[in-house]
Amino acid sequence: AQSVTQPDIHITVSEGASLELRCNYSYGATPYLFWYVQSPGQGLQLLLKYFSGDTLVQGIKGFEAEFKRSQSSFNLRKPSVHWSDAAEYFCAVGALYNNNDMRFGAGTRLTVKP
Amino acid sequence: GAGVSQSPSNKVTEKGKDVELRCDPISGHTALYWYRQSLGQGLEFLIYFQGNSAPDKSGLPSDRFSAERTGGSVSTLTIQRTQQEDSAVYLCASSFRLAGNNEQFFGPGTRLTVL
Repeated sequence: AQSVTQPDIHITVSEGASLELRCNYSYGATPYLFWYVQSPGQGLQLLLKYFSGDTLVQGIKGFEAEFKRSQSSFNLRKPSVHWSDAAEYFCAVGALYNNNDMRFGAGTRLTVKP
Repeated sequence: GAGVSQSPSNKVTEKGKDVELRCDPISGHTALYWYRQSLGQGLEFLIYFQGNSAPDKSGLPSDRFSAERTGGSVSTLTIQRTQQEDSAVYLCASSFRLAGNNEQFFGPGTRLTVL
């Protein structure tokens, strides 16, 4: 079964600084990869997803992520963080032929300093 | 259109009581999922339903947990004889179908507190 590791439990960045959230996955075939964001008291919202093709994917709110097969990674980036980006971020991996089709990482909590 | 809705948004109960959590998926979505999110933890898969197929219950933590989905739409997660360790946010999600490349749409969750 697939699995996801988010090495950073909590990250603090200054507003306007760049951001990179790490995600490593384990899966024997080409994975389907997702990043979700959860604002306080809210459900999860999809930021972006990768299925195939261009390994650099663009998402909403100015986020992007790059799939690197050799590193089994799907790191999330944003060039300039806004205070409203403070939230919990979850990486997830899905597998087409696995009936239990989604595994989530433990999440990374992002704090944005003024 | 309407998203996934869950009720109640908050539930406080006493240890040993039974609770029922409700999820209304997006209309037309055949797959429905329940997750548990404990403080500082990721999402723990509990159970999913796909159409009329038998649900995958492999994530249910104990036999105190059960879920049903009536008419392929609304789902109810029941926790019997609640324990303090059951305190968590319970999230429901639905997707158009069960496949790894289908986006799951999440409800706002039910925050359960067991005293």
